[in-house]
Amino acid sequence: DIQMTQSPSSLSASVGDRVTITCRASQSINNYLNWYQQKPGKAPKLLIYAASASSLQSEVPSRFSGSGSGTDFTLTISGLQPEDFATYYCQQSYSSPWTFGQGTKVEIK
Amino acid sequence: QVQLQESGPGLVKPSQTLSLTCTVSGGSISSGGYYWTWIRQHPGKGLEWIGYIYDSGNTYSNPSLKSRVTISVDTPKNQFSLKLTSVTAADTAVYYCARVGIVAVVDARYDFFDYWGQGTLVTVSS
Repeated sequence: DIQMTQSPSSLSASVGDRVTITCRASQSINNYLNWYQQKPGKAPKLLIYAASASSLQSEVPSRFSGSGSGTDFTLTISGLQPEDFATYYCQQSYSSPWTFGQGTKVEIK
Repeated sequence: QVQLQESGPGLVKPSQTLSLTCTVSGGSISSGGYYWTWIRQHPGKGLEWIGYIYDSGNTYSNPSLKSRVTISVDTPKNQFSLKLTSVTAADTAVYYCARVGIVAVVDARYDFFDYWGQGTLVTVSS
């Protein structure tokens, strides 16, 4: 199985900050990498697919962006908003079984 | 707008079979070439992909659960189901059903979970 490792596991930030979350795959996954946002008690919501493409269904704000290829990927939030405080997960769809990172919790400073 | 809703018992006894159904609305489960999938989340933990079904009956399950998992589809009812046998306390989790969205380009196919149910907590306890 491909292992997905996110860092940091949690972070504290203020409204307006630029936040970067990193996801590393245990082997190359090209750009088969998705990002999700999950708020407490809710299902995850797709933000980014194919490493850098924004989900159309979810109407993702432009402050969310993704980048990377191979084994190293980042999710950047440019100008953190109050509604962005949540847990973020990366997920690879390069090979089955599809696997997720352990999550990064973004908390209010 | 596609919507998914899980249903099933919230409490299952150890060694018994967990059975959940996902009802899809806002679109036909048999059109579009989509995969339909189950994902679970242990309390306070991360996400684990369980398996999917496609083409009205082909399935693939996570090898970590494969021998215990059955995923099936009921096309007339626009539903798909999960059965997990011989459950233990380690199977206590929130279970989500989801659609696997697809974007296909010239030399690549990208899969992602684009529509999710709200999730249902299943507790394994005597």
